[in-house]
Amino acid sequence: GAGVSQSPRYKVAKRGQDVALRCDPISGHVSLFWYQQALGQGPEFLTYFQNEAQLDKSGLPSDRFFAERPEGSVSTLKIQRTQQEDSAVYLCASSLGTSGSTDTQYFGPGTRLTVL
Amino acid sequence: GNSVTQMEGPVTLSEEAFLTINCTYTATGYPSLFWYVQYPGEGLQLLLKATKADDKGSNKGFEATYRKETTSFHLEKGSVQVSDSAVYFCALSTAGGYQKVTFGTGTKLQVIP
Repeated sequence: GAGVSQSPRYKVAKRGQDVALRCDPISGHVSLFWYQQALGQGPEFLTYFQNEAQLDKSGLPSDRFFAERPEGSVSTLKIQRTQQEDSAVYLCASSLGTSGSTDTQYFGPGTRLTVL
Repeated sequence: GNSVTQMEGPVTLSEEAFLTINCTYTATGYPSLFWYVQYPGEGLQLLLKATKADDKGSNKGFEATYRKETTSFHLEKGSVQVSDSAVYFCALSTAGGYQKVTFGTGTKLQVIP
């Protein structure tokens, strides 16, 4: 079956531009996560949705970062006024339920953002 | 806060060699522990997990045992193959209703024929 998909796969932005990154989770998955992975580092948590509710946005690095999931399925991560330090791979993951210990997160291929 | 420390790579091994990738953690509460793998050109995927002390997670010949006394979760495989070449991430999540995962920095494994 279809996994988690993300688009675009690659995005080049000029400093100061706004970007929008899309995530299509596995159908029926309640939980959706966004992570940021800098070059040579592990992914770092950005935000978490349970259906359409954003329950945790503690990892968003600044108020330039905004995420939404209005109908509880597709999610968009928006970065306003991009800076060079925003260059990273942005990963989306979804899981079926909400159990911290038993759920498996399924990751998308990521969007590689390069800010010039 | 939570953190994961894993051995730096890259690790280069000959085919059929024994693999160990060390991982230690610091966590508030009682974490679940994971190993994720990222094959070249592919997305991150769960390799194995353990949710309580002394549990052994295993998959595709890889194993890791949850050691609470040493706060470790080392990854092992008895005989690696070229197809195991990938980046391996140790990770944890703590209880709280959803799986907020903290990852290590990753260890790149290269297996040569």
